[in-house]
Amino acid sequence: KAGVTQTPRYLIKTRGQQVTLSCSPISGHRSVSWYQQTPGQGLQFLFEYFSETQRNKGNFPGRFSGRQFSNSRSEMNVSTLELGDSALYLCASSTDSYEKLFFGSGTQLSVL
Amino acid sequence: AQSVAQPEDQVNVAEGNPLTVKCTYSVSGNPYLFWYVQYPNRGLQFLLKYITGDNLVKGSYGFEAEFNKSQTSFHLKKPSALVSDSALYFCAVRDMNRDDKIIFGKGTRLHILP
Repeated sequence: KAGVTQTPRYLIKTRGQQVTLSCSPISGHRSVSWYQQTPGQGLQFLFEYFSETQRNKGNFPGRFSGRQFSNSRSEMNVSTLELGDSALYLCASSTDSYEKLFFGSGTQLSVL
Repeated sequence: AQSVAQPEDQVNVAEGNPLTVKCTYSVSGNPYLFWYVQYPNRGLQFLLKYITGDNLVKGSYGFEAEFNKSQTSFHLKKPSALVSDSALYFCAVRDMNRDDKIIFGKGTRLHILP
Protein backbone atom coordinates (compact mmCIF):
# COMPACT_ATOMS: atom_id res chain seq x y z
CA LYS A 1 0.00 0.00 0.00
CA ALA A 2 1.39 3.41 -0.92
CA GLY A 3 1.97 5.82 1.95
CA VAL A 4 0.88 9.41 2.31
CA THR A 5 2.24 11.46 -0.57
CA GLN A 6 2.91 15.17 -0.29
CA THR A 7 3.91 17.41 -3.16
CA PRO A 8 5.99 19.35 -3.73
CA ARG A 9 8.81 18.31 -1.42
CA TYR A 10 10.40 21.76 -1.37
CA LEU A 11 9.09 25.22 -2.14
CA ILE A 12 10.71 28.63 -2.15
CA LYS A 13 8.41 31.63 -2.27
CA THR A 14 8.67 35.34 -1.57
CA ARG A 15 6.63 37.39 0.84
CA GLY A 16 3.16 38.23 -0.39
CA GLN A 17 2.87 35.24 -2.71
CA GLN A 18 0.48 32.39 -2.21
CA VAL A 19 1.16 28.67 -2.20
CA THR A 20 -0.82 25.45 -2.56
CA LEU A 21 0.35 22.18 -1.05
CA SER A 22 -1.07 18.81 -1.98
CA CYS A 23 -1.60 15.62 0.00
CA SER A 24 -2.72 12.20 -1.21
CA PRO A 25 -3.76 9.96 1.70
CA ILE A 26 -3.39 6.23 2.01
CA SER A 27 -6.05 4.46 -0.03
CA GLY A 28 -9.19 3.98 2.07
CA HIS A 29 -8.32 6.71 4.58
CA ARG A 30 -11.03 9.35 4.79
CA SER A 31 -9.47 11.58 7.45
CA VAL A 32 -6.72 14.02 6.46
CA SER A 33 -5.07 16.51 8.78
CA TRP A 34 -2.39 19.16 8.33
CA TYR A 35 0.34 20.34 10.67
CA GLN A 36 3.01 23.02 10.75
CA GLN A 37 6.35 21.99 12.22
CA THR A 38 8.93 24.56 13.30
CA PRO A 39 11.94 24.12 15.60
CA GLY A 40 10.57 26.48 18.23
CA GLN A 41 6.90 25.56 18.24
CA GLY A 42 6.99 21.84 17.57
CA LEU A 43 4.01 20.39 15.74
CA GLN A 44 0.95 22.63 15.47
CA PHE A 45 -2.41 21.47 14.20
CA LEU A 46 -3.80 23.37 11.22
CA PHE A 47 -7.00 21.58 10.18
CA GLU A 48 -8.65 18.22 9.84
CA TYR A 49 -10.98 16.98 7.13
CA PHE A 50 -13.19 13.92 7.05
CA SER A 51 -15.18 13.01 3.95
CA GLU A 52 -14.80 16.53 2.50
CA THR A 53 -15.98 18.26 5.70
CA GLN A 54 -13.70 20.30 7.91
CA ARG A 55 -13.95 18.77 11.37
CA ASN A 56 -11.56 20.96 13.28
CA LYS A 57 -9.40 24.00 12.76
CA GLY A 58 -6.33 25.14 14.65
CA ASN A 59 -5.42 28.62 15.79
CA PHE A 60 -4.04 29.96 12.54
CA PRO A 61 -5.04 33.12 10.67
CA GLY A 62 -7.53 33.01 7.82
CA ARG A 63 -4.65 33.11 5.32
CA PHE A 64 -4.40 29.38 5.93
CA SER A 65 -7.14 27.37 4.29
CA GLY A 66 -7.71 23.88 3.08
CA ARG A 67 -10.10 21.55 1.39
CA GLN A 68 -10.65 17.88 0.77
CA PHE A 69 -11.89 16.35 -2.45
CA SER A 70 -14.24 13.42 -2.97
CA ASN A 71 -11.28 11.07 -3.50
CA SER A 72 -9.95 12.16 -0.05
CA ARG A 73 -7.02 14.06 -1.54
CA SER A 74 -6.47 17.33 0.24
CA GLU A 75 -4.91 20.70 -0.52
CA MET A 76 -3.73 23.42 1.77
CA ASN A 77 -3.41 27.03 0.67
CA VAL A 78 -1.52 29.87 2.28
CA SER A 79 -2.13 33.34 0.89
CA THR A 80 -0.09 36.50 1.39
CA LEU A 81 2.93 34.59 2.64
CA GLU A 82 4.93 35.96 5.56
CA LEU A 83 8.50 35.15 6.60
CA GLY A 84 7.13 33.36 9.66
CA ASP A 85 5.29 30.87 7.47
CA SER A 86 8.60 29.17 6.69
CA ALA A 87 8.18 25.68 8.09
CA LEU A 88 7.76 22.01 7.33
CA TYR A 89 4.12 21.31 6.52
CA LEU A 90 3.04 17.78 7.28
CA CYS A 91 -0.05 15.97 6.15
CA ALA A 92 -1.39 12.87 7.86
CA SER A 93 -4.15 10.45 7.06
CA SER A 94 -6.10 7.93 9.11
CA THR A 95 -9.17 5.74 8.86
CA ASP A 96 -10.93 7.98 11.37
CA SER A 97 -10.17 10.89 13.66
CA TYR A 98 -9.23 8.78 16.68
CA GLU A 99 -7.04 6.28 14.95
CA LYS A 100 -3.29 6.48 14.51
CA LEU A 101 -1.98 8.97 12.01
CA PHE A 102 0.19 8.09 9.03
CA PHE A 103 2.36 11.05 8.08
CA GLY A 104 3.77 12.11 4.76
CA SER A 105 7.34 13.32 4.35
CA GLY A 106 6.21 16.93 4.34
CA THR A 107 6.65 20.01 2.22
CA GLN A 108 9.49 22.29 3.30
CA LEU A 109 8.36 25.86 2.61
CA SER A 110 10.86 28.70 2.66
CA VAL A 111 9.57 32.25 2.44
CA LEU A 112 12.17 34.83 1.45
CA ALA B 1 -8.73 24.03 26.87
CA GLN B 2 -6.72 20.90 26.30
CA SER B 3 -2.95 20.97 26.40
CA VAL B 4 0.05 18.69 26.50
CA ALA B 5 3.48 19.36 27.98
CA GLN B 6 6.81 17.70 27.40
CA PRO B 7 8.94 19.29 30.12
CA GLU B 8 12.32 18.23 28.71
CA ASP B 9 13.61 19.57 25.42
CA GLN B 10 16.37 16.96 25.42
CA VAL B 11 17.11 13.72 27.24
CA ASN B 12 20.48 11.99 27.20
CA VAL B 13 20.73 8.31 28.11
CA ALA B 14 23.60 5.85 27.89
CA GLU B 15 23.05 2.86 25.64
CA GLY B 16 21.67 -0.09 27.58
CA ASN B 17 20.15 2.06 30.31
CA PRO B 18 16.41 2.51 30.79
CA LEU B 19 14.91 5.64 29.28
CA THR B 20 11.90 7.79 30.14
CA VAL B 21 10.45 10.63 28.09
CA LYS B 22 7.90 12.61 30.07
CA CYS B 23 4.49 13.84 29.02
CA THR B 24 1.68 15.46 30.99
CA TYR B 25 -1.68 16.49 29.62
CA SER B 26 -4.81 18.43 30.42
CA VAL B 27 -8.26 17.70 28.98
CA SER B 28 -11.73 18.35 30.30
CA GLY B 29 -12.97 14.87 29.37
CA ASN B 30 -11.27 11.50 28.92
CA PRO B 31 -8.07 11.53 26.88
CA TYR B 32 -6.89 9.73 23.83
CA LEU B 33 -3.09 9.73 24.19
CA PHE B 34 -0.45 9.04 21.57
CA TRP B 35 3.30 8.91 21.12
CA TYR B 36 4.96 9.55 17.77
CA VAL B 37 8.63 9.44 16.81
CA GLN B 38 10.46 11.39 14.14
CA TYR B 39 13.67 9.77 12.97
CA PRO B 40 16.08 11.84 10.87
CA ASN B 41 15.04 11.71 7.21
CA ARG B 42 12.25 9.21 7.90
CA GLY B 43 9.24 11.27 8.87
CA LEU B 44 6.87 10.91 11.81
CA GLN B 45 5.80 7.42 12.84
CA PHE B 46 3.19 6.16 15.29
CA LEU B 47 4.59 4.40 18.37
CA LEU B 48 1.61 3.66 20.61
CA LYS B 49 -1.73 4.92 21.87
CA TYR B 50 -3.95 4.77 24.95
CA ILE B 51 -7.70 4.90 24.66
CA THR B 52 -9.12 2.77 27.48
CA GLY B 53 -8.20 -0.37 29.36
CA ASP B 54 -4.83 -1.40 30.70
CA ASN B 55 -2.80 1.56 31.92
CA LEU B 56 0.41 0.07 30.52
CA VAL B 57 0.47 0.27 26.75
CA LYS B 58 3.03 -1.56 24.63
CA GLY B 59 4.09 -0.19 21.29
CA SER B 60 6.60 -0.46 18.48
CA TYR B 61 10.38 -0.95 18.86
CA GLY B 62 10.08 -2.14 22.47
CA PHE B 63 8.57 1.10 23.78
CA GLU B 64 5.80 1.27 26.34
CA ALA B 65 3.91 4.03 28.09
CA GLU B 66 2.04 4.21 31.35
CA PHE B 67 -1.21 6.12 31.66
CA ASN B 68 -1.55 7.71 35.10
CA LYS B 69 -4.91 9.41 35.50
CA SER B 70 -4.24 10.95 38.92
CA GLN B 71 -1.01 12.55 37.72
CA THR B 72 -2.37 13.23 34.21
CA SER B 73 0.80 11.75 32.77
CA PHE B 74 1.65 9.43 29.91
CA HIS B 75 5.41 8.86 30.12
CA LEU B 76 7.19 6.89 27.41
CA LYS B 77 9.61 4.21 28.58
CA LYS B 78 11.99 1.58 27.32
CA PRO B 79 13.94 -0.85 29.54
CA SER B 80 17.17 -0.77 27.54
CA ALA B 81 18.03 2.09 25.16
CA LEU B 82 19.61 1.59 21.76
CA VAL B 83 21.63 4.16 19.81
CA SER B 84 19.04 3.79 17.05
CA ASP B 85 16.38 5.16 19.45
CA SER B 86 17.93 8.60 19.06
CA ALA B 87 15.15 10.72 17.56
CA LEU B 88 12.54 13.40 18.27
CA TYR B 89 9.55 12.17 20.28
CA PHE B 90 6.13 13.79 20.35
CA CYS B 91 3.32 13.20 22.81
CA ALA B 92 -0.23 14.04 21.65
CA VAL B 93 -3.66 14.22 23.27
CA ARG B 94 -7.21 14.39 22.04
CA ASP B 95 -10.30 14.88 24.20
CA MET B 96 -12.47 11.78 23.85
CA ASN B 97 -15.61 13.53 25.05
CA ARG B 98 -15.59 16.51 22.77
CA ASP B 99 -14.84 15.98 19.11
CA ASP B 100 -11.80 18.18 19.51
CA LYS B 101 -8.57 18.67 17.65
CA ILE B 102 -5.39 16.75 18.42
CA ILE B 103 -2.72 18.67 20.34
CA PHE B 104 0.96 17.77 20.11
CA GLY B 105 3.68 18.58 22.61
CA LYS B 106 6.73 20.49 21.47
CA GLY B 107 8.80 17.35 21.31
CA THR B 108 11.70 15.85 23.25
CA ARG B 109 14.96 15.07 21.53
CA LEU B 110 16.36 11.79 22.79
CA HIS B 111 20.11 11.20 22.52
CA ILE B 112 21.36 7.70 23.22
CA LEU B 113 25.07 7.79 23.96
CA PRO B 114 27.15 4.77 22.86
